Amino acid sequence: SQELEQSPQSLIVQEGKNLTINCTSSKTLYGLYWYKQKYGEGLIFLMMLQKGGEEKSHEKITAKLDEKKQQSSLHITASQPSHAGIYLCGVSHASGTYKYIFGTGTRLKVLA
Amino acid sequence: ETGVTQTPRHLVMGMTNKKSLKCEQHLGHNAMYWYKQSAKKPLELMFVYNFKEQTENNSVPSRFSPECPNSSHLFLHLHTLQPEDSALYLCASSRELVSGANVLTFGAGSRLTVL
Repeated sequence: SQELEQSPQSLIVQEGKNLTINCTSSKTLYGLYWYKQKYGEGLIFLMMLQKGGEEKSHEKITAKLDEKKQQSSLHITASQPSHAGIYLCGVSHASGTYKYIFGTGTRLKVLA
Repeated sequence: ETGVTQTPRHLVMGMTNKKSLKCEQHLGHNAMYWYKQSAKKPLELMFVYNFKEQTENNSVPSRFSPECPNSSHLFLHLHTLQPEDSALYLCASSRELVSGANVLTFGAGSRLTVL
């Protein structure tokens, strides 16, 4: 099985709708990062979560790390076309390492 | 200029060519990274440099040769590549290598096509 899985792989929503993207790890996480990528371009950092139960928000995007530190959800409220892109989670699985493992990403399309 | 700048943005090369990708950061960061992004595959970490010293080579074939002359510049030298090396190559930087708290700033990427 994959060490890190994102779901869904792709998502199409109508503008104004809420949506959730999940990132699930087979191991305990020491750091979880959410990034957004516009097609064919670099990644933009959104949020970092480290503590179990931690929740952070940026504009209409909220991310939470569950208590067991093995799953994170990214929730977008009242989606807009500007939210479209690929959302990737990156994790560090061990204390003392800077290495990331990235998920395969969730492609989000928002219909106006 | 600010952030992380990658050049060229697009590169087409034959299997016998030699070319280089360049990355420059103006953020005062000390760690720089090369990632490979292929279609429908997770981002793959290739190389990591910290204060100009290579700290990670993730079993990358020798046809990829990194160079980090200073903390602001990173190169990826390419020679005798294969068609399967076609991908988006992303450069990133971070303030330093810190376990569990390592926010990366990415460049826009260099789209490489090997014919």
